[in-house]
Amino acid sequence: EVQLLESGGGLVQPGGSLRLSCAASGFTFSNYAMSWVRQAPGKGLEWVSFSSNSGGITQFADSVKGRFAISRDNSQNTLYLQMNSLRVEDTAVYYCAKDLAAAGLRAFDIWGQGTMVIVSS
Amino acid sequence: QSALTQPRSVSGSPGQSVTISCTGTSSDVGSHSYVSWYQRHPGKAPKLMIYDVTKRPSGVPDRFSGSKSGNTASLTISGLQAEDEADYYCCSNAGRKVVFGGGTKLTVL
Repeated sequence: EVQLLESGGGLVQPGGSLRLSCAASGFTFSNYAMSWVRQAPGKGLEWVSFSSNSGGITQFADSVKGRFAISRDNSQNTLYLQMNSLRVEDTAVYYCAKDLAAAGLRAFDIWGQGTMVIVSS
Repeated sequence: QSALTQPRSVSGSPGQSVTISCTGTSSDVGSHSYVSWYQRHPGKAPKLMIYDVTKRPSGVPDRFSGSKSGNTASLTISGLQAEDEADYYCCSNAGRKVVFGGGTKLTVL
């Protein structure tokens, strides 16, 4: 079964850090680009970051550029999102999503169930 | 404010057709063929319904169809069914990023 399982969410103070993980199974992880997408309470979906299949190309939304880093370990079938200098407005459910393509940013055909990040003092 | 503009809500009766619009700019919808649509039921992960403007993934009923004209993409659902009631989001490649619409709540009356 094709599956993505996020972990690592939780409560963190403003200015703090958190690392999210996304474990993939049921498909050849190294063949596909991956993204992180978030949804803040009462808001719509917001794309956060992208990694090409090799991890050699990454992109970020302007709202997180310089604060978040994306990486992947293809030997462990795992995608990561390192979030630093967290702000209250980063509070959201974070989803990892599999892209249809290796190069990415085409469409997301598999989504995880999400992990909640709450930034609050 | 979301990058792509969708109506907040649409509604239709079972068996009818509804169309959800998604308006962007010449930097996203207007210049890219990577437009996709997602269905989201409460508490569930988004589900890909349309990709590459008009293509349906395996398993998605042919009642769902996509199109694009200029800077506006559209999702049409024909033969509405109760289980189609959900939130729908459009999405477009915008060069080195992806932009989503604000979402449209579809109510099946």
